[in-house]
Amino acid sequence: EAGVAQSPRYKIIEKRQSVAFWCNPISGHATLYWYQQILGQGPKLLIQFQNNGVVDDSQLPKDRFSAERLKGVDSTLKIQPAKLEDSAVYLCASSLRTSGGEQYFGPGTRLTVT
Amino acid sequence: RKEVEQDPGPFNVPEGATVAFNCTYSNSASQSFFWYRQDCRKEPKLLMSVYSSGNEDGRFTAQLNRASQYISLLIRDSKLSDSATYLCVVLRGYGQNFVFGPGTRLSVLP
Repeated sequence: EAGVAQSPRYKIIEKRQSVAFWCNPISGHATLYWYQQILGQGPKLLIQFQNNGVVDDSQLPKDRFSAERLKGVDSTLKIQPAKLEDSAVYLCASSLRTSGGEQYFGPGTRLTVT
Repeated sequence: RKEVEQDPGPFNVPEGATVAFNCTYSNSASQSFFWYRQDCRKEPKLLMSVYSSGNEDGRFTAQLNRASQYISLLIRDSKLSDSATYLCVVLRGYGQNFVFGPGTRLSVLP
């Protein structure tokens, strides 16, 4: 079974530039999550989708971050404009069901903002 | 206070040692609990779920104390391959989201 795919794996941008990350979850997984993991910390949920609807985006900095999952399958997370403190690993995860199911993580995108 | 807190670590233990990690959570409505393992520069992977009665998987034992809002993970007979960061994860409630602790890093030394 194919796992969660993410691209790119690495990205270096200057502050105030824009960047987009892509995620393709495991086939059939209705729930998709985007997490931000800063070095030395645990992952922090940015946004959770159930199919193509947003379940929780309370910790998403909406002035600069946006995410969509238009067809209920793959998803894009965008940062515009980027700040130095956005340097982190952005992890996408998916699960078969919303509550209590195991989450499967992609390899992440390591973003460096200079 | 953070919603999920863990032993700060790092833990450096010799092979064969027994090591225990602690985790506390502040939201009493939390429903489900997990331990994830994250190797250096890799993604987190589920190690085990934590059940109310406690559960064991080989050398790993997880315990839950709902009254004290406390979760533990015990690793017996540590192996070099157990070296990783262990993340305590709490599901807030049905239809709610997962909250990760900051992680505790374990290094098993030869």
